[in-house]
Amino acid sequence: NAGVTQTPKFQVLKTGQSMTLQCAQDMNHNSMYWYRQDPGMGLRLIYYSASEGTTDKGEVPNGYNVSRLNKREFSLRLESAAPSQTSVYFCASSLRGGEDGYTFGSGTRLTVV
Amino acid sequence: SQQGEEDPQALSIQEGENATMNCSYKTSINNLQWYRQNSGRGLVHLILIRSNEREKHSGRLRVTLDTSKKSSSLLITASRAADTASYFCVYRLMDSNYQLIWGAGTKLIIKP
Repeated sequence: NAGVTQTPKFQVLKTGQSMTLQCAQDMNHNSMYWYRQDPGMGLRLIYYSASEGTTDKGEVPNGYNVSRLNKREFSLRLESAAPSQTSVYFCASSLRGGEDGYTFGSGTRLTVV
Repeated sequence: SQQGEEDPQALSIQEGENATMNCSYKTSINNLQWYRQNSGRGLVHLILIRSNEREKHSGRLRVTLDTSKKSSSLLITASRAADTASYFCVYRLMDSNYQLIWGAGTKLIIKP
């Protein structure tokens, strides 16, 4: 089925470890996004990529890096995980910068101990 | 903070009843969207209403937008157990191309 695919679905890291969350979309969307969702809060934008070859910081970029590998793929890297990064991470994509709504992946539940 | 605010935070109704959720925001917006999230995963886009629209329908969903009051409402008619989910109001700022502002959501429970 067409959509946004995130891997992994679950991950437990020790403080200081690094990992990369993968995201791929097959809808030929131009824009891709990484969000985090903490309990009792709405989603907060970490980074976004308006188009292939560009990336920009969102609301909460500290501690993260991203790579727009090609039009389909947008990865999120935690270089040195901290307990404050325990969260559910969502990747999303849109055709025209969110003007027509976003399509979300199913999320990655990350726990940093 | 520019976070949107949903009201109520939680709503529990009987199956078949109508559910109304409200959203308020603080600044001028380009459009406002509603999303549904089941069990902490799987955000699904429900409906988008533009700043020059006042009302929009999609199946059992009805969304209104009052830009003078900076508020929106989502009505789900004839609720079903499958409507149990969290509903988020999301809006795009007028002067932003990509920044969406998310509220904390309304948790809706439909009792059988």
